[in-house]
Amino acid sequence: NAGVTQTPKFQVLKTGQSMTLQCAQDMNHEYMSWYRQDPGMGLRLIHYSVGAGITDQGEVPNGYNVSRSTTEDFPLRLLSAAPSQTSVYFCASSYSVTTGELFFGEGSRLTVL
Amino acid sequence: AQSVTQPDIHITVSEGASLELRCNYSYGATPYLFWYVQSPGQGLQLLLKYFSGDTLVQGIKGFEAEFKRSQSSFNLRKPSVHWSDAAEYFCAVGAVGSGYSTLTFGKGTMLLVSP
Repeated sequence: NAGVTQTPKFQVLKTGQSMTLQCAQDMNHEYMSWYRQDPGMGLRLIHYSVGAGITDQGEVPNGYNVSRSTTEDFPLRLLSAAPSQTSVYFCASSYSVTTGELFFGEGSRLTVL
Repeated sequence: AQSVTQPDIHITVSEGASLELRCNYSYGATPYLFWYVQSPGQGLQLLLKYFSGDTLVQGIKGFEAEFKRSQSSFNLRKPSVHWSDAAEYFCAVGAVGSGYSTLTFGKGTMLLVSP
């Protein structure tokens, strides 16, 4: 049972490049989400999904796209990377769309030059 | 919208001493409350959670937290700290809207353990 798997773990991009952070879970969780973590800011919600085909914006959605075609996968796309998107990104899933207890991946560290 | 305040950015505790990390939340209804711990370079691990019922909840690694509605607080405690407890601790509040919940996190408290 792998839990929540994120790839890649590290990535360096140039400003304007696009990329996709992958997230997969094998726990059959309906709820999945993406957070970014910045020093002194805690974790901020980017996008979330309550099931396949359903996504919604969180607190800081600008510059990011998501889709949820399957229960298992929830990729995060950066359309045109900016230095302000340098951060550590965490994917998290939950067995319940109401109680919100989250299981986290190990994170993806992104640097935009 | 819900919010979480962790007033202490850093706390240093001697090994073997007791620990209390503060958390205050703002939410109009009964919240779901969580404490997570993050070791360097790792993801977040759930320590404990409060949904309803007994306001004193026990978690893993000897941690406990008490929900005090009158003070809008959910402070984390441990009677005797071990060096391995050094990490960053996050309090989070879950808010239910339209039948689903999102978690809002505090900015974290870094715990340093001195010998």
